[in-house]
Amino acid sequence: DAGITQSPRYKITETGRQVTLMCHQTWSHSYMFWYRQDLGHGLRLIYYSAAADITDKGEVPDGYVVSRSKTENFPLTLESATRSQTSVYFCASSDPTNTEAFFGQGTRLTVV
Amino acid sequence: AQRVTQPEKLLSVFKGAPVELKCNYSYSGSPELFWYVQYSRQRLQLLLRHISRESIKGFTADLNKGETSFHLKKPFAQEEDSAMYYCALYSSSASKIIFGSGTRLSIRP
Repeated sequence: DAGITQSPRYKITETGRQVTLMCHQTWSHSYMFWYRQDLGHGLRLIYYSAAADITDKGEVPDGYVVSRSKTENFPLTLESATRSQTSVYFCASSDPTNTEAFFGQGTRLTVV
Repeated sequence: AQRVTQPEKLLSVFKGAPVELKCNYSYSGSPELFWYVQYSRQRLQLLLRHISRESIKGFTADLNKGETSFHLKKPFAQEEDSAMYYCALYSSSASKIIFGSGTRLSIRP
């Protein structure tokens, strides 16, 4: 299917475990982003990528790792999950000629 | 620093009343500003962007560089406008999109 998809949609994990959230887009957009959505904080940028093999930290990168070996994939890894990382995570992509961001459906992550 | 501020977490108005969602930004250079909307159980999606100067679903937003604002307005609110609204800024220098904290708009019947 065309578009941007995230997996899993829901995830419960234990404190200290490593967990990876997947993001895949079919448009070949060069820009990709990871945000977390928390009540009172809105959407905060975790990491972003301007192209394959190029990533940069956003506002709240601590505890997260990203990679972008292929243009279409931008996985987000929580190296050792903490309860403060319980959130809804959104992946987005955009093209520099358009700049509109297209969002995935979100992943609701609960760390217990 | 690049920043987007939405001072209202929640805005509740009656159906048919005017709506104004406030957004202020901080950006050195010419900003590219957007409003995104998230309806219940739907993806976040673009509502409008300042460069297109169009009205979408009755909403308009004017960029005021003097006041560094990009407020979203609608003259007559509808119940289907109830949603979460985010103001966003595209930073061309950093190739990233920065969002405000969002305003939840609730339209009362």
